[in-house]
Amino acid sequence: QKEVEQDPGPLSVPEGAIVSLNCTYSNSAFQYFMWYRQYSRKGPELLMYTYSSGNKEDGRFTAQVDKSSKYISLFIRDSQPSDSATYLCAMRRNSGNTPLVFGKGTRLSVIA
Amino acid sequence: GAVVSQHPSWVICKSGTSVKIECRSLDFQATTMFWYRQFPKQSLMLMATSNEGSKATYEQGVEKDKFLINHASLTLSTLTVTSAHPEDSSFYICSARGAMTGDEQYFGPGTRLTVT
Repeated sequence: QKEVEQDPGPLSVPEGAIVSLNCTYSNSAFQYFMWYRQYSRKGPELLMYTYSSGNKEDGRFTAQVDKSSKYISLFIRDSQPSDSATYLCAMRRNSGNTPLVFGKGTRLSVIA
Repeated sequence: GAVVSQHPSWVICKSGTSVKIECRSLDFQATTMFWYRQFPKQSLMLMATSNEGSKATYEQGVEKDKFLINHASLTLSTLTVTSAHPEDSSFYICSARGAMTGDEQYFGPGTRLTVT
């Protein structure tokens, strides 16, 4: 079993839809959870950063972490065509230089 | 703030030659830089971690003699792919972190390497 599992999609939704992206993980030592957005042939851009369990909201984006289920989610409200990208979850055990472990990424297309 | 650049953005080289990729932190001092490789439709795979002034720490399965990493200053790290082969063709991405970024890594835009 891989440390981080993420459905690669592709996921196609109409503009304005609520998008739900998810990752599961196996290592209970993970404490820091991140979501990155990557446009084609570009580097990842940090969207959300969460420590331990709970919710975090930033504009149209909400990140949820459920450590008891080893499950994290990213919700995008009122999705826009500009949200079309690959979304990568990432996590690590400790702060600082501990390596990030990435999911495979989910390709999202928002259709106008 | 926290901008990371890479140069070149795209490079084509012949098999057997070496190619150097630069990663720069433009507005902060990067005490640690990370190098990743990403194949099409795949996730990022960490290749190595480098701290300024120290030798890089390579991940299992990454040949340190083939992928030479130098982190000589707080704003520059280089990755040299030596004796490149077509199977080295990939998207190489660096990230950097420092006191200003806290725990977070900021990624460069990536370098696409094509070996013919």
